[in-house]
Amino acid sequence: QQQVKQSPQSLIVQKGGISIINCAYENTAFDYFPWYQQFPGKGPALLIAIRPDVSEKKEGRFTISFNKSAKQFSLHIMDSQPGDSATYFCAASMSFGNEKLTFGTGTRLTIIP
Amino acid sequence: DADVTQTPRNRITKTGKRIMLECSQTKGHDRMYWYRQDPGLGLRLIYYSFDVKDINKGEISDGYSVSRQAQAKFSLSLESAIPNQTALYFCATSVVGQGRNNEQFFGPGTRLTVL
Repeated sequence: QQQVKQSPQSLIVQKGGISIINCAYENTAFDYFPWYQQFPGKGPALLIAIRPDVSEKKEGRFTISFNKSAKQFSLHIMDSQPGDSATYFCAASMSFGNEKLTFGTGTRLTIIP
Repeated sequence: DADVTQTPRNRITKTGKRIMLECSQTKGHDRMYWYRQDPGLGLRLIYYSFDVKDINKGEISDGYSVSRQAQAKFSLSLESAIPNQTALYFCATSVVGQGRNNEQFFGPGTRLTVL
């Protein structure tokens, strides 16, 4: 049973454009939603994370938008650059108790010149 | 720098062989995890350990076993490898603490091929 659904599976965006990746979750007990970035040959690394007490979090060119009622959250990359080309994973967990992460299936993002 | 290391980085083996993947960390974290990554399936949790005496199955533990030899070491074993265990395997660590972000720190991965 997939508890975190991620789309699209792959995405091609022109340099300078906006990249948008979407995730939806089922478990209403989730209250921590991170995004991980993975470059080829490397392990994933935390990019940005949000808790449901806010609807948006911005760090530089990266923004998470969160819709609690729809149980959806998305990653927006503004002014996308070739160096942003990577695989992105959304995830979810509960902050207290069992804190293991449930990951989405990943999105391979390619930024073209 | 405090780090998460995995050995070996690449391994090719044959069906039926026993394989051990090792993970070591110098971050001083109590929690350690093993994931496998397959194209289109994302990262799936195999086993996790919240301290040396605590071992828990993840969503896909069948065919795998683990050993937490010390706070810093967490090994994953495939007792009798099969081709559908061909995947990229990642070890990760995180720090204990209520209210803290659940950031996990990943190793560089082990690419395992079972022929």
